[in-house]
Amino acid sequence: AQKITQTQPGMFVQEKEAVTLDCTYDTSDQSYGLFWYKQPSSGEMIFLIYQGSYDEQNATEGRYSLNFQKARKSANLVISASQLGDSAMYFCAMRETRISGTYKYIFGTGTRLKVLA
Amino acid sequence: DVKVTQSSRYLVKRTGEKVFLECVQDMDHENMFWYRQDPGLGLRLIYFSYDVKMKEKGDIPEGYSVSREKKERFSLILESASTNQTSMYLCASRTGGWGRTANTGELFFGEGSRLTVL
Repeated sequence: AQKITQTQPGMFVQEKEAVTLDCTYDTSDQSYGLFWYKQPSSGEMIFLIYQGSYDEQNATEGRYSLNFQKARKSANLVISASQLGDSAMYFCAMRETRISGTYKYIFGTGTRLKVLA
Repeated sequence: DVKVTQSSRYLVKRTGEKVFLECVQDMDHENMFWYRQDPGLGLRLIYFSYDVKMKEKGDIPEGYSVSREKKERFSLILESASTNQTSMYLCASRTGGWGRTANTGELFFGEGSRLTVL
């Protein structure tokens, strides 16, 4: 069964340092998509970055990059130069295509990141 | 910008009450989703809809039903609320068409509805 695993319930990072949030996934599909979302304490889910299974280059969006290792089925999020505003819950998610042709999105349990001044 | 609006941020209901959670999106998205979020469990899919009047069960549909009579609106219904349905409920949508967001398939989320069942 498709699954997303985030093994770090919580992490601390010093302001201005880089941090890596781990995500591994399990799927038998050849075509899938991987996402990272940020959820601040206010509750809204903010899309950060996307990686397609056929994309050969790692995705980057500003200070966010996705370290995609397909053979290891990992899709770690790297945040460079952490800021206090990065303190939030981070979710890794995977899109799978069902037999019916519709899409289903599976989320991990999340990692709570705290940036220290 | 895509806007997904959930009708209530906070609700308190009693056991056995019928509860309606409403979600409206303004970007003509074909696909809409209802998730519940619980600490340590992440987001779990309750139901989703890929078109008007079309729906599919997610991973935890028991105790819930949905309605999608119009493209922009997707309602989650708790026929008889129970205390174990106390949770944060998140609605999301995505386009089924073309363009950047179709290629990435990112979900757009509402702000969430925190339901407490007493």
